[in-house]
Amino acid sequence: DAGVTQSPTHLIKTRGQHVTLRCSPISGHKSVSWYQQVLGQGPQFIFQYYEKEERGRGNFPDRFSARQFPNYSSELNVNALLLGDSALYLCASSLTGNYGYTFGSGTRLTVV
Amino acid sequence: DQQVKQNSPSLSVQEGRISILNCDYTNSMFDYFLWYKKYPAEGPTFLISISSIKDKNEDGRFTVFLNKSAKHLSLHIVPSQPGDSAVYFCAASARLLDSNYQLIWGAGTKLIIKP
Repeated sequence: DAGVTQSPTHLIKTRGQHVTLRCSPISGHKSVSWYQQVLGQGPQFIFQYYEKEERGRGNFPDRFSARQFPNYSSELNVNALLLGDSALYLCASSLTGNYGYTFGSGTRLTVV
Repeated sequence: DQQVKQNSPSLSVQEGRISILNCDYTNSMFDYFLWYKKYPAEGPTFLISISSIKDKNEDGRFTVFLNKSAKHLSLHIVPSQPGDSAVYFCAASARLLDSNYQLIWGAGTKLIIKP
């Protein structure tokens, strides 16, 4: 069985640009969470979606948005990129969103 | 403000000995704690968890201890093996407050097992 897949694995963008990161959850999982991990820190919660509805949002600016599709895959969008957005973006899927999280390998975003 | 703290950035342990990783938290509303392990270029992998109604949970070589009065938990790995070399994250959640089950993470401890 495929685990959580994220694409792309690496990405370099310029300040001010927009980026879209993608996540496919484990088959049967209906919840997707997004985390940002800056070097040297633990992951920070960005969003959680369950059954295509936003269930929670972390302390991130409105430049960050996400959505979940009918097949439960998800996109994280970041507008007007800043140097500080450079991080590893992790997607986690679970059956219902209450733990049992399985993480993908992440997308390494570098903003120059 | 860091609600979950892992004060040791790194820890070096001899193979076969016990590894003890520590984690402190400040939010008394946290009621569920998890440990994750992360290898380079991979996502975190769940190791073991503990509810606040317990003070110990064991799974094979891994045991987590929770001291609620001290707001402290620790992960014991016995015996330590070379494959245990990784970054270990402590995470916490306040399930009664957060319908989204948001995890609050520590900064991680890099464990190095020496042969």
